[in-house]
Amino acid sequence: EAQVTQNPRYLITVTGKKLTVTCSQNMNHEYMSWYRQDPGLGLRQIYYSMNVEVTDKGDVPEGYKVSRKEKRNFPLILESPSPNQTSLYFCASSFATSGYEQYFGPGTRLTVT
Amino acid sequence: GENVEQHPSTLSVQEGDSAVIKCTYSDSASNYFPWYKQELGKRPQLIIDIRSNVGEKKDQRIAVTLNKTAKHFSLHITETQPEDSAVYFCAASDGGGYNKLIFGAGTRLAVHP
Repeated sequence: EAQVTQNPRYLITVTGKKLTVTCSQNMNHEYMSWYRQDPGLGLRQIYYSMNVEVTDKGDVPEGYKVSRKEKRNFPLILESPSPNQTSLYFCASSFATSGYEQYFGPGTRLTVT
Repeated sequence: GENVEQHPSTLSVQEGDSAVIKCTYSDSASNYFPWYKQELGKRPQLIIDIRSNVGEKKDQRIAVTLNKTAKHFSLHITETQPEDSAVYFCAASDGGGYNKLIFGAGTRLAVHP
């Protein structure tokens, strides 16, 4: 089954404790992206990747890191989480050329206290 | 960069009525305009999309129209049903030819029986 998976689905952590949210897709997609969703602000892009070892900042990259060592995986790293990073996070993937559907993962609800 | 504005932010209709959601974009090079539906607690899912060489596309009760000159596109839902209740996001592709999407802030549609 074609899918995008994320783990964990829910996470409660404390300020400053490094964490990683994993994202994996099995559709051989070149393009992968991380979004955060906050009430009234829609889906804002954090980072995206056009292919292996190619990443770039989105609209809200501060406080986040990513890596793309393999085509199927695109982890999101919060080196020192802060309460303003409490949000719902979605990973998405698609083929790289404009015009293809982006498939979203199930989401990760992160709470930083 | 691309900016997408979406209106209204909330929309309440009676079952059977039509619903229209409008979006404007800023980058004249954008060529792909998808619409996503997000039910409560679920991931966004593509419901319909349109490319810049097409003015209108229809799929059963939903349709999308695109006016490239005015740089706006709209989602039309006819004969609304309670299961249409969700948050709807419009998006526009980044003008660089890749599948980077910029999302609107979303419209919460409530269909009352």
